[in-house]
Parts: sequence; C-alpha cells; structure tokens
Amino acid sequence: SQQGEEDPQALSIQEGENATMNCSYKTSINNLQWYRQNSGRGLVHLILIRSNEREKHSGRLRVTLDTSKKSSSLLITASRAADTASYFCATGPPGNTPLVFGKGTRLSVIA
Amino acid sequence: DAGVIQSPRHEVTEMGQEVTLRCKPISGHDYLFWYRQTMMRGLELLIYFNNNVPIDDSGMPEDRFSAKMPNASFSTLKIQPSEPRDSAVYFCASSLRSSNTGELFFGEGSRLTVL
Repeated sequence: SQQGEEDPQALSIQEGENATMNCSYKTSINNLQWYRQNSGRGLVHLILIRSNEREKHSGRLRVTLDTSKKSSSLLITASRAADTASYFCATGPPGNTPLVFGKGTRLSVIA
Repeated sequence: DAGVIQSPRHEVTEMGQEVTLRCKPISGHDYLFWYRQTMMRGLELLIYFNNNVPIDDSGMPEDRFSAKMPNASFSTLKIQPSEPRDSAVYFCASSLRSSNTGELFFGEGSRLTVL
C-alpha cells in the first residue's frame, strides 16, 4: 500500500518544547504533504515537499524528506497549546493519482 | 472565497434511510474528492472527479454508495440504504488543476450517525 504511516500515534509535550512526527511510506512518490486537523474540523494543508527536495521550512515548521529511506519528518519548534491537533502525512504517487493519507499523529501541547 | 462548503454538518438517521451529503467546492477548482474518516480506517478516498467527471470510484464501499457532480459547483454523496457501519465523518475536498501535486482544501465535514 502507498499509505504513509505516522509515528508516534500520539505525542504529549509541554508548551515551548519541540515536537517531531515521522512518516514512512512504501513506494515511490512525487511529493509528500503534511496536514493538520483540529478536533471536529477539516484538514488544513501545512506544507508540501517535492521528491527532489530534502528540507523545507515554513514558519515554525520544518519538514525533511529522505527518499532513500522512504521517510519524512515534521518538526514543530517552540510548540504552543494551539498546535494541539492531529497531523497527517499524505503521499502523492507518480502520475495523476490522488493523495493517500496516513492515520495521523495526535499531538497534545500542554500549557 | 468561503472555502469548501459541506452540508449538513451533522446527520443522525436510522438504518435503512437514505442519506444525502452535499458539497460546494472552491470556485475554479478542477478536482473534487470525497473522503470518509473513521478511527479504525483513517481517511479513505471514496471517489474523485475531474471537471465534473468521475475518474475513480474504486473506493466506494458498496453499491449503496453513489456520488454525482452535476456541475462545477455542486456534488452529492448518497447512501441508500444506510447502515450503522456507515457512521463516520465524510469530507469533501477540492484542488486546483492536479489530483496530487497541489494542496487539497477540505470542508469541515459531515458527521453521520446511523442508528
């Protein structure tokens, strides 16, 4: 299956700490995307990294991609209580086929 | 733009009843996707459309599920008859120009409970 798998399933940290979530996948990809979902809401796109990129930054977010290991990580620096949410990676296969989402990491940031 | 709009936000129905979920994508987006989210199975793609044409419906679980997109600004997902195992949150999402290289814009979802 193309589906990415996030690790850990759940993560609880103190406000101000960094949060790292990992995503592994099984087949080749065109790009990998990360989404956030607040409780009871829809998913919101955070960042996209292409298969020829190794690292990307957006504000307090840092995403890395290692295509040789078929893995990606999402780092949230200086976390805030408002970062509490589920985070999903989504892999974009080669060709024009839709994204496939993992089951997500539930992040709790305690104030 | 108001984003992707879904209705109803919540639906409680009894087994055997027909359920219709509605979606208005972002204007100008060429792709529309229907996903189902459950704790057990995560986010599953049910069907997607490109320029109002269904491209892949292999994720539709059974013949009880059907989806239509009569025009660029409206899509429906219908379940008839509904069963308790259909209880889930159903999301509609749209994207511009590509099914996987651009970001998806999700609606707030329709939470379905079938008793």
